[in-house]
Amino acid sequence: EAAVTQSPRSKVAVTGGKVTLSCHQTNNHDYMYWYRQDTGHGLRLIHYSYVADSTEKGDIPDGYKASRPSQENFSLILELASLSQTAVYFCASSDLGGRSQNTLYFGAGTRLSVL
Amino acid sequence: QQQVRQSPQSLTVWEGETAILNCSYEDSTFNYFPWYQQFPGEGPALLISISSVSDKKEDGRFTIFFNKREKKLSLHITDSQPGDSATYFCAASASYGNEKITFGAGTKLTIKP
Repeated sequence: EAAVTQSPRSKVAVTGGKVTLSCHQTNNHDYMYWYRQDTGHGLRLIHYSYVADSTEKGDIPDGYKASRPSQENFSLILELASLSQTAVYFCASSDLGGRSQNTLYFGAGTRLSVL
Repeated sequence: QQQVRQSPQSLTVWEGETAILNCSYEDSTFNYFPWYQQFPGEGPALLISISSVSDKKEDGRFTIFFNKREKKLSLHITDSQPGDSATYFCAASASYGNEKITFGAGTKLTIKP
């Protein structure tokens, strides 16, 4: 069964601090994604990657960096966390990036609170 | 600019009734429309999907109706069960890239027993 594991599941950070969210997938998928979920906005794409050591900007990349050190791992980095980055973050993987009718497999999410 | 809109924001129906969730889009290049179901504390999971060449897709109690001319679609859940209580996201993408999947804001569905 497809598996995407996120850590931590919840995090409290201070404004201006550095936050790293981690994602690990055992699906052998090439594509990995980071989404942000806010009430009233659905899911918005922050960064994605289709190969190790390469990342691409999504729709809302400002204030975030991403790292894909291997096919299985994808991290989201907030260098200077801000109050506006309080949200739930989801990692996802897929194996048919570039084609339609592709299924995203999501992790359980990380709830981030920036104080 | 929200390219995929969902209504209503929240919906409550009685067990056994049919729940109807609506979705509309703006980009005429969208040709694939998945619906994702999300339970509290979990990530979204694909429920059912339709491509623009079809006007209807059924999977058990879940049916998507698609109107390409009006750029509208709807998800019908017949014989609603309390276990169907979840948030449902309509999404859309074009053939040129999965990274272009655009999600709506979601409809929170509550089924009362």
